[in-house]
Amino acid sequence: ETGVTQSPTHLIKTRGQQVTLRCSSQSGHNTVSWYQQALGQGPQFIFQYYREEENGRGNFPPRFSGLQFPNYSSELNVNALELDDSALYLCASSLAGENNQPQHFGDGTRLSIL
Amino acid sequence: GENVEQHPSTLSVQEGDSAVIKCTYSDSASNYFPWYKQELGKRPQLIIDIRSNVGEKKDQRIAVTLNKTAKHFSLHITETQPEDSAVYFCAVLGGSYIPTFGRGTSLIVHP
Repeated sequence: ETGVTQSPTHLIKTRGQQVTLRCSSQSGHNTVSWYQQALGQGPQFIFQYYREEENGRGNFPPRFSGLQFPNYSSELNVNALELDDSALYLCASSLAGENNQPQHFGDGTRLSIL
Repeated sequence: GENVEQHPSTLSVQEGDSAVIKCTYSDSASNYFPWYKQELGKRPQLIIDIRSNVGEKKDQRIAVTLNKTAKHFSLHITETQPEDSAVYFCAVLGGSYIPTFGRGTSLIVHP
């Protein structure tokens, strides 16, 4: 069983730039969620993708966008980067069904904005 | 939206003692309550979960209890060991399948 993998592991950008983070879901999973985790905080839900469509969104501005591909992998795009975007970005995959299912996390991408 | 509060923010215990972390939630429709353990620099890992049709679940030294009426659930760790030291997060999910996480509890187990 292949777990959730994310790339890159670390990234440094400057204000105003754009970034794309990538996630491969665990084998057998069809739903991907993205989270932002600031230092000393719990993960904050950004959005979730199911069947290549956004299936729920947290309190994040439109410059945070995403994609899900037919193989269930996903991208998180952030435009016009701000200093406060510095955080650990976590991807989690799960299997959609009638009941809520456990989410399995990747190791995350540490994004630093200078 | 859902509001989740987690207490305490820091918990320091001696090896062998028990540790209890509590989370409260606001949405009575919430029906799934997982707990995650996150060691420094690592991914959150699911350690135990409970659904709303169950009051208690146990897995070796770890247990979770749920009080739907009072809208709170707790993580219990018995016979704590130094390797239990980590940040623990509760999460709450309902019909929207969108999880809300607590702010985390830093557990320190002293040898």
